[in-house]
Amino acid sequence: SQTIHQWPATLVQPVGSPLSLECTVEGTSNPNLYWYRQAAGRGLQLLFYSVGIGQISSEVPQNLSASRPQDRQFILSSKKLLLSDSGFYLCAWSVGGAVYGYTFGSGTRLTVV
Amino acid sequence: GQQLNQSPQSMFIQEGEDVSMNCTSSSIFNTWLWYKQDPGEGPVLLIALYKAGELTSNGRLTAQFGITRKDSFLNISASIPSDVGIYFCAALNYGGSQGNLIFGKGTKLSVKP
Repeated sequence: SQTIHQWPATLVQPVGSPLSLECTVEGTSNPNLYWYRQAAGRGLQLLFYSVGIGQISSEVPQNLSASRPQDRQFILSSKKLLLSDSGFYLCAWSVGGAVYGYTFGSGTRLTVV
Repeated sequence: GQQLNQSPQSMFIQEGEDVSMNCTSSSIFNTWLWYKQDPGEGPVLLIALYKAGELTSNGRLTAQFGITRKDSFLNISASIPSDVGIYFCAALNYGGSQGNLIFGKGTKLSVKP
């Protein structure tokens, strides 16, 4: 069966420090991968999505970047965190497009102090 | 761009009550999905709808794909405390295998004090 792993679960980082969040998917090949951010326990904001290795589409210009070095690995990064980067970050995957929905990871709670 | 208007934004439930929420748009969609997010977790798919007028149940949950293809409804019967969380609608209008889900801003269910 397919599983998705996100780590770390929680992270507290000082302003100006770098960030690296990792997401891996098991049990499937060539998934579409997504990074979402959720502020204040409400709406989901799509940050990046990828349809293949090295292919990244950015939805919102910001202080963050994403990379997909392997088929089932998706990384969210920042060189210098801002206070406004705090939030709940969710990774998700789908196969064959979005028609069957996305499967979300358990999320990373990032607090920038 | 396409938007989903989800209402209500929040509501309080008392155990045993029935709950209704909906999602509307000015755009037509081929697929409607409903997710639930427990606190501190990623959203989990509850129900997927693929045909206008379709009515689908999952236990005490029932969702309908609006006949106009511009809206969807979710009902929870005889609510229990574990129903609290955030419910998201999502929709897709696909012309092929690609296309990203559009999410509503969520309906937050809380227990009446």
